Amino acid sequence: AQKITQTQPGMFVQEKEAVTLDCTYDTSDPSYGLFWYKQPSSGEMIFLIYQGSYDQQNATEGRYSLNFQKARKSANLVISASQLGDSAMYFCAMREGRSGNNRKLIWGLGTSLAVNP
Amino acid sequence: DAGVTQSPTHLIKTRGQQVTLRCSPKSGHDTVSWYQQALGQGPQFIFQYYEEEERQRGNFPDRFSGHQFPNFSSDLNVNALLLGDSALYLCASSAGTGGARGNTIYFGEGSWLTVV
Repeated sequence: AQKITQTQPGMFVQEKEAVTLDCTYDTSDPSYGLFWYKQPSSGEMIFLIYQGSYDQQNATEGRYSLNFQKARKSANLVISASQLGDSAMYFCAMREGRSGNNRKLIWGLGTSLAVNP
Repeated sequence: DAGVTQSPTHLIKTRGQQVTLRCSPKSGHDTVSWYQQALGQGPQFIFQYYEEEERQRGNFPDRFSGHQFPNFSSDLNVNALLLGDSALYLCASSAGTGGARGNTIYFGEGSWLTVV
């Protein structure tokens, strides 16, 4: 069964508008971490934001915020004030267990975001 | 502060050949993980090295092997290349001590391998 599900293969957003990229996850481990990465066509995987399962507040990093709904097992990425340079693939990933013991990330299939001028 | 560096960036190999890909982790990081990303897919975990030992391994055959050096850099070796090994190979670095530092996992630009 898919542990990370990204249901939006492709998304379009107008420049300067906000966009939400969906991610749902499945785990029975009470300790886990959720990551979002941006992958431009060059291939580099760029770290955007991290949310731990025990974190009380939603993570924010500049224009990126993570809408973490633990009961629904969702970790949606919100990009505010979209820029043309935001056009890329976006991946949601999960690490199960505590970070000291496990570095393996499980990935979704990604969402391709296109920002229109 | 140098990020994660990988080499080579692109290479073409023939079926049956062997390839070695190299990765230098971000400064201050001591754990290296390797991922294979086929076209249109998310990355798949190959293995992870910490303290010069393989600590975790994904579902990859023994043709995939690795090594970590005392300076924390790492090699990924693939023997007897198959057409299906064509992919982007990503190296990830992180701090092995866990805690908050272990939550930041950074990737290099990847090595594009084409097997013909």
